[in-house]
Amino acid sequence: DIQMTQSPSTLSASVGDTVSITCRASQTILTWLAWYQQTPGKAPKLLIYKASTLESGVPSRFSGSGSGTEFTLTLSSLQPDDFATYYCQQYVSFPYTFGQGTKLEI
Amino acid sequence: QALLVQSGAEVRKPGASVKVSCKSSGYNFINYYIFWVRQAPGQGLEWMGWINPLSGGTNYAQKFQGWVTMTRDTSISTVYMELNRLKSDDTALYYCARGNTPFDSSGSADTWGQGTLVTVSS
Repeated sequence: DIQMTQSPSTLSASVGDTVSITCRASQTILTWLAWYQQTPGKAPKLLIYKASTLESGVPSRFSGSGSGTEFTLTLSSLQPDDFATYYCQQYVSFPYTFGQGTKLEI
Repeated sequence: QALLVQSGAEVRKPGASVKVSCKSSGYNFINYYIFWVRQAPGQGLEWMGWINPLSGGTNYAQKFQGWVTMTRDTSISTVYMELNRLKSDDTALYYCARGNTPFDSSGSADTWGQGTLVTVSS
């Protein structure tokens, strides 16, 4: 199985900040990577797929980049609703493994 | 707008089975794969497998092979996930989710059910 490793595990920030989360794959996944946001008690929400394509309805302050084994999710001008846990997921090779999550907190 | 609605919470004893349903609406049910993902309390997301609603074909993560079964009923646009020989560490929220590309098993999940809590306790 492809291992996905996110860093940091926890990230402290304030409203208005810009932050980045990194996701590394144990082998190349080209650009077959998605990012999800999960708030407590809710199902994950798709933010970005194909490494950098913004899902419909997701604010443009979310952006994704990277290819191969290293990827970044950037959140600009943080809003109160952005404080959540973020997961990356590869879908080039079954099973489609997730990173362990990054908790973004105030 | 696509919507997935799952069945309610379940409590089972160790060794028992559980069957969770996921009803689809708002789109053509047979066009999109359904994935199952679980999340243990306070933990991350774990991919379990997928089902092709058109053919009924399935693919399970190796960890779950032999004790998970995914099925579908096209007449009511519903997929099911049955887990057998439950253990206490199977206690988790079980989510169904729709693949975001028609007829493609390889993809991200753009629509999620609300989750079904399965508690395994003696």
